[in-house]
Amino acid sequence: GAGVSQSPSNKVTEKGKDVELRCDPISGHTALYWYRQSLGQGLEFLIYFQGNSAPDKSGLPSDRFSAERTGGSVSTLTIQRTQQEDSAVYLCASSLALQNNSPLHFGNGTRLTVT
Amino acid sequence: DQQVKQNSPSLSVQEGRISILNCDYTNSMFDYFLWYKKYPAEGPTFLISISSIKDKNEDGRFTVFLNKSAKHLSLHIVPSQPGDSAVYFCAASRGSNYKLTFGKGTLLTVNP
Repeated sequence: GAGVSQSPSNKVTEKGKDVELRCDPISGHTALYWYRQSLGQGLEFLIYFQGNSAPDKSGLPSDRFSAERTGGSVSTLTIQRTQQEDSAVYLCASSLALQNNSPLHFGNGTRLTVT
Repeated sequence: DQQVKQNSPSLSVQEGRISILNCDYTNSMFDYFLWYKKYPAEGPTFLISISSIKDKNEDGRFTVFLNKSAKHLSLHIVPSQPGDSAVYFCAASRGSNYKLTFGKGTLLTVNP
């Protein structure tokens, strides 16, 4: 079956522009996560969606970052007025459910470069 | 404040030998630990996990050991194969908390 799909795979943008990153989770996965990996760093939690519950946005680094998940499936991460420090690989993951600590299935990420 | 630490950025081993990747954590509330493997230009893939009620979990060539008193876990790969060359991330979580905290990763190179 198809895995987690992210688009675009690469994005170069100028400082100050807005960008949208898309994630298609595995069908049937109710939980969706966004992480980012900056150069030389581990994966940093950004936001979590689970079913119809209110998302956990506690990892978003600033109010320039927002995300939504429409219809419990596709998610879009939006970064407004991008800054150079936003350059990173943005990874989306999905999982079946919280119980039994279901492993996260990651997409291949979107590499964002802000010039 | 890095709660999950992988102090070795890289490790090189010969094919057929054992690879030992280490991970330390500082948050005593963590009770579930995972290892992920990442190839270049791909997302991390789940490898193996361990709950804090255990001290060892084995899956084929991969074994994870947990030492709660030392807040230390390790991943053993034996025998190592060239295809195991990748970045390995250690991750931890608290209870049913879905926020995995990741280490910075260790690049493993297995030489033929």
